[in-house]
This record gives sequence, C-alpha cells and structure tokens, in this order.
Amino acid sequence: SQKIEQNSEALNIQEGKTATLTCNYTNYSPAYLQWYRQDPGRGPVFLLLIRENEKEKRKERLKVTFDTTLKQSLFHITASQPADSATYLCALDMGDSNYQLIWGAGTKLIIKP
Amino acid sequence: DGGITQSPKYLFRKEGQNVTLSCEQNLNHDAMYWYRQDPGQGLRLIYYSQIVNDFQKGDIAEGYSVSREKKESFPLTVTSAQKNPTAFYLCASSIGWRLAGAYEQYFGPGTRLTVT
Repeated sequence: SQKIEQNSEALNIQEGKTATLTCNYTNYSPAYLQWYRQDPGRGPVFLLLIRENEKEKRKERLKVTFDTTLKQSLFHITASQPADSATYLCALDMGDSNYQLIWGAGTKLIIKP
Repeated sequence: DGGITQSPKYLFRKEGQNVTLSCEQNLNHDAMYWYRQDPGQGLRLIYYSQIVNDFQKGDIAEGYSVSREKKESFPLTVTSAQKNPTAFYLCASSIGWRLAGAYEQYFGPGTRLTVT
C-alpha cells in the first residue's frame, strides 16, 4: 500500500533563510499532491496543490516541486519568518478510483529570529 | 463568513458513553469528511460523504457512526465500541469528490475528545 514519509524530526531554520521540507512516497505516483499548514490545536489549512505533470508550483514565498522519478515532493519557504513556524503536512490521492487522500504525519518547522 | 464549525472544542466523557461531535459547513460543499489525528501519525479517515443521505467507511470506521441528513451537517458519533477514542477529531469538506486529490479540503477547528 502507498506510504508517505515526512521528516519526523523538527526542522530548525534561521529567519530569512529558505526552509525545505520533504515528502516521499513509496509506490505509485499520485495524480495530485497537496501541502497544508497546521498550527497547534487547529485544523490544517490548504497551501498548494501540484499535479503529476507539473514540475513546480509557486505562491508568493512558497514553492512546491514534484519529482515522480524520485517519488518526492519538496516544499520551500523562502525568506522564512517566525510566523511560518508550524507543522506542514503533505497529502496525496490514492488513484482515480478512490475518493480519499492519504496523509503524511507532518514536519514541524521552527523559524528562529 | 464561510467555513466549517465544529463543537465543542474540548469534550470529556467517561468510558462506556457514546458521544456526538458536531460539524456544520456553509460552503455549499458536496463532500464532507471525518478524520482522526493522533500524535506522530497522519490524518486517518473515519467516514466520508459525497452526497446527502449517503456515506462511506474510511480506514478506521469501527466504533464510529455518522449521518448526513442535510448538506450542511455531518455529525460523528463515537460509540462505546471504539477501543481508544481519545484523540483530536477533524471535520473537513471539499467542493468535489470524484478525484479527491484535485480538490483542496477545508477543515474545521477540531474537537479534542478525552475519554477516561
């Protein structure tokens, strides 16, 4: 079955630097991959969606890449700020005939001033 | 403001009691979902509904029940049969459902249930 791996260790980044988070999957390549932000005790908030035929997607300071050869998506935050500190989740679909997303456990990002 | 509301934010129950978690959305979305979140784990799907009066089991439906009598509402009941009910419960909705990955999901603020 499909598995998603995100770094379980927290990522500590100095303010102003680029933070890069990784989402790896094990089996088939999904048609879509999504990234969400979750603050403690709150529901996730959608950030970006990337399709399998897209290499890269950008939104303001955020950039997502999708490499189906490596079975990996990278999520970048440029010019990071302490307010970017949160847990970031990736999610992907399970194929055309399924109506569910499967979710990674998330990576906690800490931006230090 | 459009969005999803969940109530209550915190819920405490004794073992052996059923409890119902509320989820309401005013986004006019067809699809609604219930997830469970435990520390160190990804969101796990309990139930989902694509249309009123229809719902499907997710990966961990045992010990839970749902109803979808109105488009806006998708309450979750945690029954006494659920062996480990203490968790953070999240309700979500999306505008479409045929290709789940193609649509962003909107989440409520969550309900933290503690059963002792």
